Amino acid sequence: SQTIHQWPATLVQPVGSPLSLECTVEGTSNPNLYWYRQAAGRGLQLLFYSVGIGQISSEVPQNLSASRPQDRQFILSSKKLLLSDSGFYLCAWSPGVGADGYTFGSGTRLTVV
Amino acid sequence: GENVEQHPSTLSVQEGDSAVIKCTYSDSASNYFPWYKQELGKRPQLIIDIRSNVGEKKDQRIAVTLNKTAKHFSLHITETQPEDSAVYFCAASLRPTGYSSASKIIFGSGTRLSIRP
Repeated sequence: SQTIHQWPATLVQPVGSPLSLECTVEGTSNPNLYWYRQAAGRGLQLLFYSVGIGQISSEVPQNLSASRPQDRQFILSSKKLLLSDSGFYLCAWSPGVGADGYTFGSGTRLTVV
Repeated sequence: GENVEQHPSTLSVQEGDSAVIKCTYSDSASNYFPWYKQELGKRPQLIIDIRSNVGEKKDQRIAVTLNKTAKHFSLHITETQPEDSAVYFCAASLRPTGYSSASKIIFGSGTRLSIRP
């Protein structure tokens, strides 16, 4: 069966520090991968998605970037965090080639101080 | 791009009563409408979904309806129980141009459902 792993679970970082959040999927190949952010008490905002290695699409201009160095690995990064980057970051995957259903990772709660 | 509106933002119902959450979407090309339940501090989990070629789908106490003409879809929970308390998100799926194998899911803003004992 397929599983999605996301870490760390919680992170407290100072303003101006770098960020790296990692997400990996097991038990499937060529998944579509997604990064969402959820601000406190708010909805889910799509940040990036990827349909393959090295293919990244950005949804909103921001202080973050994403990379997909391997088929089942998706990384969210920042060179210098801002206070507004605080939130709950969720990675998700769906089967490739036209399928629709998402499965979310357990999330990373990021607090920028 | 796609925009999904969700109402109400909060909903409180007596245990055993029904709860209804309504959503509208803007892009008529959307063809997949999932609903997610998120308990406090946890990941959203898919509870039911419906495709544009179907008007209604039911799974035990949960049902979804879709009106493609009006671009409305709704979640109905009957015989509510305390464990139904959570935040519920509707969503619509839109295939992006240039990446035909990926479906972006755009979420509504969520409804916080509370079940009163």
